[in-house]
Amino acid sequence: VQLVESGGGLVQPGGSLRLSCAASGFTFSAYGMNWVRQAPGKGLEWLSSISGSGDDTYYADSVKGRFTISRDNSNNALYLHMNSLRADDTAVYYCAKGALGPAARGGAFDFWGQGTTVTVSS
Amino acid sequence: SYDLTQAPSVSVSPGQTASITCSGDKLENKFASWYQQKPGQSPVLVIYHDIRRPSGIPERFSGSKSGNTATLTISGTQAMDEAAYYCQAWDISTAVFGGGTKLTVL
Repeated sequence: VQLVESGGGLVQPGGSLRLSCAASGFTFSAYGMNWVRQAPGKGLEWLSSISGSGDDTYYADSVKGRFTISRDNSNNALYLHMNSLRADDTAVYYCAKGALGPAARGGAFDFWGQGTTVTVSS
Repeated sequence: SYDLTQAPSVSVSPGQTASITCSGDKLENKFASWYQQKPGQSPVLVIYHDIRRPSGIPERFSGSKSGNTATLTISGTQAMDEAAYYCQAWDISTAVFGGGTKLTVL
């Protein structure tokens, strides 16, 4: 299993960014996927999950209405579209594979990418 | 919102047993998972479904749960086990992480 995030960078407050996660080594469509972030010096914060089919999505209150999770099963890719970015969105963003099959929720996160850094600053 | 509570830090001597706890309301009715994160690295799953150990995780890592408290136990702790440990559970449709426990091996 390999998960490789990309798309991070420096963005101004109020700006937008799209993160990508390229997956390989497993049947991508058979597993729910997640985004988790970690602010500098802080703990882990779950952001969003999506089912294997992409039909079910869930969000943390902190990003609901601003972030959108999506996936392209034909290209084994997971995305996080981020709008209205704020300084407190500055973090390392990880994609993580769900361990519980195609369900969006429940279970552990059994594989993680290396993360991509998002910095929101003027 | 749902919270999982962990002690910020735990210290253990090499070769001794380290216990890291995680408490949450109605945790007895949820599955707890545990992750190890070393500085500059991504988290690694070490325990899932309260007690199960993924392949490749050393046997010295074990999990248990009693009531609303889940415990990660590291037997014969080694210097390489020094890391932050996070518990995690699902509350309906939201995944929640504990605040993390920094394990120091000294």
